[in-house]
Amino acid sequence: DSGVTQTPKHLITATGQRVTLRCSPRSGDLSVYWYQQSLDQGLQFLIQYYNGEERAKGNILERFSAQQFPDLHSELNLSSLELGDSALYFCASSARQGPEKLFFGSGTQLSVL
Amino acid sequence: GDSVTQMEGPVTLSEEAFLTINCTYTATGYPSLFWYVQYPGEGLQLLLKATKADDKGSNKGFEATYRKETTSFHLEKGSVQVSDSAVYFCALYTQGGSEKLVFGKGMKLTVNP
Repeated sequence: DSGVTQTPKHLITATGQRVTLRCSPRSGDLSVYWYQQSLDQGLQFLIQYYNGEERAKGNILERFSAQQFPDLHSELNLSSLELGDSALYFCASSARQGPEKLFFGSGTQLSVL
Repeated sequence: GDSVTQMEGPVTLSEEAFLTINCTYTATGYPSLFWYVQYPGEGLQLLLKATKADDKGSNKGFEATYRKETTSFHLEKGSVQVSDSAVYFCALYTQGGSEKLVFGKGMKLTVNP
């Protein structure tokens, strides 16, 4: 058990809808990272937050947004969903600003039908 | 930008066989190198890392040596077990560079008894 909790584990929705994925980092970790894993693109970095502030941005679409709350949990919002958004979304946390050692949650499997 | 190229699988081995998974990288700075492992149905876990040239990371019988001259970080294990069946990801992080952990596409290993 990595100590990182992601909910829900599975999500099935329709095109055009909006969903929210939730992540609770390990106790004491200030950084939260979001990754998207798909068969064709592999593991793609989306965005990182450190202590409530956005720190780094990767290949995140404009339809996607995220935030980190004062209690350090994070949410990833995906809107106007398309079939191609179907993927496994991972959250990871680390104690420091840099990703020298990441602890991953078990992921949210999103299926857009 | 920074990138990681690793051999693509899937690969199937018999128990006690020797394993090598090749990984090469391109980086603008001086990266730290990582191997992560993803067991079925779980998130990624850090397997080992190396932060400077000629460093050898090791864990659970796996080893990888940071070779700056060949920009490589190949993963090896002398005798694989069924429990090593997983997807293996090579990754790099350059502090002061892109500030993100960049992953290779992953290689699925299946070990048969």
